[in-house]
Amino acid sequence: ETGVTQSPTHLIKTRGQQVTLRCSSQSGHNTVSWYQQALGQGPQFIFQYYREEENGRGNFPPRFSGLQFPNYSSELNVNALELDDSALYLCASSREAGGLGEQYFGPGTRLTVT
Amino acid sequence: KQEVTQIPAALSVPEGENLVLNCSFTDSAIYNLQWFRQDPGKGLTSLLLIQSSQREQTSGRLNASLDKSSGRSTLYIAASQPGDSATYLCAVASRGFGNEKLTFGTGTRLTIIP
Repeated sequence: ETGVTQSPTHLIKTRGQQVTLRCSSQSGHNTVSWYQQALGQGPQFIFQYYREEENGRGNFPPRFSGLQFPNYSSELNVNALELDDSALYLCASSREAGGLGEQYFGPGTRLTVT
Repeated sequence: KQEVTQIPAALSVPEGENLVLNCSFTDSAIYNLQWFRQDPGKGLTSLLLIQSSQREQTSGRLNASLDKSSGRSTLYIAASQPGDSATYLCAVASRGFGNEKLTFGTGTRLTIIP
């Protein structure tokens, strides 16, 4: 079975711009979660999608939004980029309902906002 | 609110030694606890998952224990090797309707000295 993939690998954007990050879940997984990891910190939960519906959200503003598609792939959209949005963005997929089973992470997308 | 702490933040040991990494969490109402490894600039690799009803899990040279009542977990690495050098993160899956998520610690950066 294929693992979790993310695209692009690296991205440089200017403050105020919008960005879309993509994630393909591991085969057979119906839940995807997105995390933001600032340098030297642990990942912070952004939100989770289960069967195309948002299933929980962390302390992130509404300019962070997401989608999950019928094939369980997912997008993270960030509007009005700020310098503090520079981070490694990780997605994780899970087979268990609600995402409570083992989480499998992708390699991440490194976003730099200048 | 769940908080996860990892001590020490960094650890250097000679090759061949056994070592213990510590993780503590504030809310014992958890579904599971997962240990991850992260190489610099990379995504997370799952090492071990312990369900809340379990006391320990083993995989090769790794052994993770869970004491839910005291809010603690340890990751034991036997016969350390230079390839074990990485940041080790623990994450707790907490109960919370509509907000199931992993809460991460900030990690322990491990260096194995050849």
